[in-house]
Amino acid sequence: AQTVTQSQPEMSVQEAETVTLSCTYDTSENNYYLFWYKQPPSRQMILVIRQEAYKQQNATENRFSVNFQKAAKSFSLKISDSQLGDTAMYFCATRRMEYGNKLVFGAGTILRVKS
Amino acid sequence: NAGVTQTPKFQVLKTGQSMTLQCAQDMNHEYMSWYRQDPGMGLRLIHYSVGAGITDQGEVPNGYNVSRSTTEDFPLRLLSAAPSQTSVYFCASRTTGGKTQYFGPGTRLLVL
Repeated sequence: AQTVTQSQPEMSVQEAETVTLSCTYDTSENNYYLFWYKQPPSRQMILVIRQEAYKQQNATENRFSVNFQKAAKSFSLKISDSQLGDTAMYFCATRRMEYGNKLVFGAGTILRVKS
Repeated sequence: NAGVTQTPKFQVLKTGQSMTLQCAQDMNHEYMSWYRQDPGMGLRLIHYSVGAGITDQGEVPNGYNVSRSTTEDFPLRLLSAAPSQTSVYFCASRTTGGKTQYFGPGTRLLVL
């Protein structure tokens, strides 16, 4: 079974600074996806970034980047130049690549960006 | 494209009542799923479907039924609501080989 652990229930960061959210996971699969989703107060689930486990290069999307350590089963999210609009709940999730019928989510980290 | 739509946005039920949460997508996605979100637990899979006429159970299926008569629609039925089903419900869809799931806006359900 796959599990995802987010050890930081809440974090805060000053506007324009950098923050890193932690995520560790456990899986017996060799091929899988890892995701970070953002959930703002509107409750909409928004995909932030995706990483394929077979890719060694860390994924990057504008101000968002990941540090993917496959051997350590770690998948942290770095947000650079934090903005007030980044305030949200962030979920780490994983899914099998083949016949992956279930996204497994962590419990989430609340991020507050302060002005 | 409207994407994934869900109705209603918010619903209050009394214990024992039944209701159907609606989910529709206009992206011709084969795969659809229902999740519930509870505080401190992230999202958990209730039921999913890999195509019209095919459904299967997820992690927390008890108390919920689904059917998939068309590619577009995937309703979730609560036959006899219980307070433990108070939650926020999300519908999601993707193509069979798709890497990313697209989520609806969610339905907040309160069972008294």
